[in-house]
Amino acid sequence: EIVLTQSPGTLSLSPGERATLSCRASQSVSSSYLAWYQQKPGQAPRLLIYGASSRATGIPDRFSGTGSGTDFTLTISRLEPEDFAVYYCQQYGSSPFTFGQGTKLEIK
Amino acid sequence: QVRLVQSGSELKKPGASVKVSCKASGYTFTSYGMNWVRQAPGQGLEWMGWINTNTGNPTYAQGFTGRFVFSLDTSVSTAYLQISSLKAEDTAVYYCARDLGLGILDYWGQGTLVTVSS
Repeated sequence: EIVLTQSPGTLSLSPGERATLSCRASQSVSSSYLAWYQQKPGQAPRLLIYGASSRATGIPDRFSGTGSGTDFTLTISRLEPEDFAVYYCQQYGSSPFTFGQGTKLEIK
Repeated sequence: QVRLVQSGSELKKPGASVKVSCKASGYTFTSYGMNWVRQAPGQGLEWMGWINTNTGNPTYAQGFTGRFVFSLDTSVSTAYLQISSLKAEDTAVYYCARDLGLGILDYWGQGTLVTVSS
């Protein structure tokens, strides 16, 4: 099973700043089958990025994903108030699919 | 538009069973797989497995075999998760999520809270 470790656990930033979230895999994620999800309190997760770098439908271009192999990054270029949430990475390159433990992005 | 609407919250006693439904609309149900994801209170996301909506073949993640059953009723575009012999540690929100392909979860239900308590 591929273990995903996200860092930091909590990130405190202000609106307008740039956010960089990391996801490291215990072994290589095949074909960059890595997705990112956003979850707000009391809501279901929302798909942001798949294939490591492809934005899902309707996702603003301030969200971008990079990486391959074992190291992946989600970047939010200029934080909007609605971006403060928990972010999860997920690998779907091998079964069982696994999620990282999440990064909480909070307002500073 | 694509929608996944799940059944309401459940309160069950230990040892009982529960069946959660996930009704899909806005797309051809049998063209996309359906995944199930668990989220314990205050915790992260845990992939439980998926069901091929074309063949009905389920795949369960380790830890979700035996007491957990995925099923379908394609005539009403609905997927089901049944959990038997409920334990306190089954208390969680259970989500269904459409599989865009390969395991990309592009649409999610609103979640169903299952509480197991005596």
